[in-house]
Amino acid sequence: QKEVEQDPGPLSVPEGAIVSLNCTYSNSAFQYFMWYRQYSRKGPELLMYTYSSGNKEDGRFTAQVDKSSKYISLFIRDSQPSDSATYLCAMIGNQGGKLIFGQGTELSVKP
Amino acid sequence: ETGVTQTPRHLVMGMTNKKSLKCEQHLGHNAMYWYKQSAKKPLELMFVYNFKEQTENNSVPSRFSPECPNSSHLFLHLHTLQPEDSALYLCASSQDDIQATNEKLFFGSGTQLSVL
Repeated sequence: QKEVEQDPGPLSVPEGAIVSLNCTYSNSAFQYFMWYRQYSRKGPELLMYTYSSGNKEDGRFTAQVDKSSKYISLFIRDSQPSDSATYLCAMIGNQGGKLIFGQGTELSVKP
Repeated sequence: ETGVTQTPRHLVMGMTNKKSLKCEQHLGHNAMYWYKQSAKKPLELMFVYNFKEQTENNSVPSRFSPECPNSSHLFLHLHTLQPEDSALYLCASSQDDIQATNEKLFFGSGTQLSVL
């Protein structure tokens, strides 16, 4: 079993839709959870960084962590064509260790 | 220039060539990394340098040879590569080694490498 599972998509939605991106994980030691956005032919850029369980909001983006279910989500409200990218989840333990990435979900927002 | 800069952006090389990838970070960070990104696969950590010292070699074949002359520059020397080494090679940096401190990781745009 992979430590982090992420549906690779592709996911296609109309402009204005609410998008839900998800990752599941198996290692209960993970405490820090990240979402990276990667545009085509670019490196990943850090989008959201959260600690432990709960929600964090930044503009149209909300990151949610449910440690009891080992499940994290990224919600995008009022999605825009400029949100079209690959979204990578990543996580690491409280004492550091390996930063583990999901394989990424490719999102396409159609005008 | 700010952030993490990688050159070249694209590289095509034969299996007998020798080439080098360059990375420079302008963030004042102490740790630098090389990652490999292949299609539909998670990022694979290759090497970690902290204060110019290599702290991780993730079982990478010897045809990949890293060099870190100072905290701002990182190189990846390539020789006798195989076609399966074709991938996007990403450089990253963080304030300190994320494997010890949970720091945030900042990436460059990568070098898209094709091995013929």
